[in-house]
Amino acid sequence: QKEVEQNSGPLSVPEGAIASLNCTYSDRGSQSFFWYRQYSGKSPELIMSIYSNGDKEDGRFTAQLNKASQYVSLLIRDSQPSDSATYLCAGGLNTGTASKLTFGTGTRLQVTL
Amino acid sequence: EAQVTQNPRYLITVTGKKLTVTCSQNMNHEYMSWYRQDPGLGLRQIYYSMNVEVTDKGDVPEGYKVSRKEKRNFPLILESPSPNQTSLYFCASSLGQGWDEKLFFGSGTQLSVL
Repeated sequence: QKEVEQNSGPLSVPEGAIASLNCTYSDRGSQSFFWYRQYSGKSPELIMSIYSNGDKEDGRFTAQLNKASQYVSLLIRDSQPSDSATYLCAGGLNTGTASKLTFGTGTRLQVTL
Repeated sequence: EAQVTQNPRYLITVTGKKLTVTCSQNMNHEYMSWYRQDPGLGLRQIYYSMNVEVTDKGDVPEGYKVSRKEKRNFPLILESPSPNQTSLYFCASSLGQGWDEKLFFGSGTQLSVL
């Protein structure tokens, strides 16, 4: 079982709709969670970080964390064609003796006109 | 401009010919790391460094070497490249410890080993 799992997609949504991307993680000790956006052939760039249960909003993006259910989600409101990219979920943990950041394989989002 | 600079952007080589991919950051970050990205496998960590002269293995270190002699530089060395090391490589740095803060990524190096 992969430590951070995402549906590879593609997830296709029409322009203006809400895109919902989901991620589950296996290590209950994970303490930090990130969503990175990666355009084809480019490097990942951070969209959102979240550390505690609940919602965190930044513009059109909302990250949601539920530690009891071990899932993280990213909502993109008013989706635009420029949002078409692969979205990488990552979970980080520090055990005191080791620290690790693990990436999922990414979900490809297509925003259609 | 705050950035992580990787070179070269593209590299084609042959099996067994030693190569080095350079990585430099200008943000005074202590944490630096190398990842490889392959279709269906996502980003996998090769090596990381928490500070000068401190390096440690990630998930897929076999066939790679790194060094951290200066804070800003973290080169990735392939002493005897093989075709299974054909991949897209990213260097990254962080103000934190790699698990708790934003990672700044370089622009990537597409390596092909023939």
